[in-house]
Amino acid sequence: EVQVVQSGAEMKKPGESLKISCKGSGYSFTKSWIGWVRQMPGKGLEWMGIIYPGDSDTRYSPSFQGQVTISADKSISTAYLQWSSLKASDTAMYFCAAAVGSGKNFDYWGQGTLVTVSP
Amino acid sequence: DIQMTQSPSTLSASVGDRVAITCRASQTISNWLAWYQQKPGKAPKLLIYRASSLEDGVPSRFSGSGSGTEFTLTISSLQPDDFATYYCQHYNNYPYTFGQGTKLEIK
Repeated sequence: EVQVVQSGAEMKKPGESLKISCKGSGYSFTKSWIGWVRQMPGKGLEWMGIIYPGDSDTRYSPSFQGQVTISADKSISTAYLQWSSLKASDTAMYFCAAAVGSGKNFDYWGQGTLVTVSP
Repeated sequence: DIQMTQSPSTLSASVGDRVAITCRASQTISNWLAWYQQKPGKAPKLLIYRASSLEDGVPSRFSGSGSGTEFTLTISSLQPDDFATYYCQHYNNYPYTFGQGTKLEIK
């Protein structure tokens, strides 16, 4: 059974760093793209970026390039999304999702990680 | 970036109705389009990929059509479980943008 499981909710202060995780199982982690999607409170879905764990090829949306870092550790089938200095405007639900099928659409989604940034 | 525009933004309908949601791309994306359903507090769920292919386990009342720049998600007979927000997303070239969403409400 394919599963994508994200780390738990985080509460941070502005300026702090953060790394959230997303573990894939039940499929070939190194042969499937995995990506991150932001959803700010009451808003729509925003595509942030995607990584191919097999060779770490990573692509970002221009809106998020330089603001976050996407990485993966294929030895433990886990992808990461990290910030070096959080802002209040980073408060959102973050979903990771895997493209396990033949295309690059996201067919398996994590449960979401709520990140709250407040003084 | 390719812009994805959905219409309408909100749709009020009744159980049993046939409804259609449109998604327009700012440039051609061939058939590299997916449709997702999202319910409050939940992760999105894939319904349709490659514009018209039904994901395994998704009821056959959902269908997708279109290619190029104009696409449609149709629900043939609305069920109570279908009231949710629907998003289109292209995956033709980076970045893979989403539409702004269509909220399907009970009339």
